[in-house]
Amino acid sequence: KAGVTQTPRYLIKTRGQQVTLSCSPISGHRSVSWYQQTPGQGLQFLFEYFSETQRNKGNFPGRFSGRQFSNSRSEMNVSTLELGDSALYLCASSLEDIGWNTEAFFGQGTRLTVV
Amino acid sequence: DAKTTQPTSMDCAEGRAANLPCNHSTISGNEYVYWYRQIHSQGPQYIIHGLKNNETNEMASLIITEDRKSSTLILPHATLRDTAVYYCIVRGGGGADGLTFGKGTHLIIQP
Repeated sequence: KAGVTQTPRYLIKTRGQQVTLSCSPISGHRSVSWYQQTPGQGLQFLFEYFSETQRNKGNFPGRFSGRQFSNSRSEMNVSTLELGDSALYLCASSLEDIGWNTEAFFGQGTRLTVV
Repeated sequence: DAKTTQPTSMDCAEGRAANLPCNHSTISGNEYVYWYRQIHSQGPQYIIHGLKNNETNEMASLIITEDRKSSTLILPHATLRDTAVYYCIVRGGGGADGLTFGKGTHLIIQP
């Protein structure tokens, strides 16, 4: 079956712009989580959605937001981009609440570069 | 705070078993131990998870000590493609922080 699909794979944006990233989870999975990976901070949890509701949120400013649609597809949005937002953004999908005796499957990520 | 402690890096000869240790002395009764790996510039890949019993799948074996304060991931016959950063994560359902990835262990398989 198809894995987790993230689009686009690469993106270059200018400081101050906003960006929307998309994630299509594995069919049947209801939980989608987002992570930011940078060389300095490693992999950091952004937020988790389950059945269109945000259940958990990491320690990121309000410029980072997301949503989940009825078909479980998810988008994350970053407004007023800063240079420090340059990172690999990863999406993970799982059947149920992540960590509850269920594995998460990650996409290949979106590489965002802010110039 | 990191819930797990892993060595920064390890080497293993190709064809030998790679044993990756992880300490999780503060693990709670309902928390699972998960292992993921990340090959450069790719998304993390799920390997295996367990609660208290040892687990085995087609990729690896997970050995959890009886007191659950540590575990070992075993790759039985390491290949060059197993070179990656391996993350040990403890997580229970209903937590508020997703999967907390630490620094992981950079496993280098030597030819």
